[in-house]
Amino acid sequence: AQTVTQSQPEMSVQEAETVTLSCTYDTSESDYYLFWYKQPPSRQMILVIRQEAYKQQNATENRFSVNFQKAAKSFSLKISDSQLGDAAMYFCAYRSAEGGSQGNLIFGKGTKLSVKP
Amino acid sequence: DTEVTQTPKHLVMGMTNKKSLKCEQHMGHRAMYWYKQKAKKPPELMFVYSYEKLSINESVPSRFSPECPNSSLLNLHLHALQPEDSALYLCASSSQPHPRQPQHFGDGTRLSIL
Repeated sequence: AQTVTQSQPEMSVQEAETVTLSCTYDTSESDYYLFWYKQPPSRQMILVIRQEAYKQQNATENRFSVNFQKAAKSFSLKISDSQLGDAAMYFCAYRSAEGGSQGNLIFGKGTKLSVKP
Repeated sequence: DTEVTQTPKHLVMGMTNKKSLKCEQHMGHRAMYWYKQKAKKPPELMFVYSYEKLSINESVPSRFSPECPNSSLLNLHLHALQPEDSALYLCASSSQPHPRQPQHFGDGTRLSIL
């Protein structure tokens, strides 16, 4: 079974600085998708960024980028120029692309990010 | 603003009550999901509907009964719930059930069982 591990329960960053959130996963599959979701206190889960395992190029969305290391099964999220609105719980998630199209989203336990003004 | 709308935002009910949670999306998505999220925990998948048919039931107790009347609407009927069922219930949708398609979440319904 696949597992997702976020080893940092809490992180803190100064406004305008850069922070990296860690995520590792365990799988025997070769085809899968990885996601970072953000959940602010407002509760809504918001997709931050997506990575396809067969693509070597790291995904980027404005201030958010990932460092995807397939061999190491690592998928870290880098937030540049941190803003107060980035404060939230961040979940790393895995979804299998094999065995049919109904794979579940498997979430890590989350990292709570605080942004200091 | 979320494109997946969940009502009500908060619900308090007794263990003998019957209530329903509603989820609506008008993005033309053909896959819809129910998740349960306990405090300070990640969401856990409950049900998946694919093209209005139930495709995944993650061994959820029968006191939770999902329904998908049409492609835009997803309900979760609740009956005889237990205090441990108190949680945030999140609905999500994706354009297709394919794992490549990201899931878009609603704001959730905060459910409290007395």
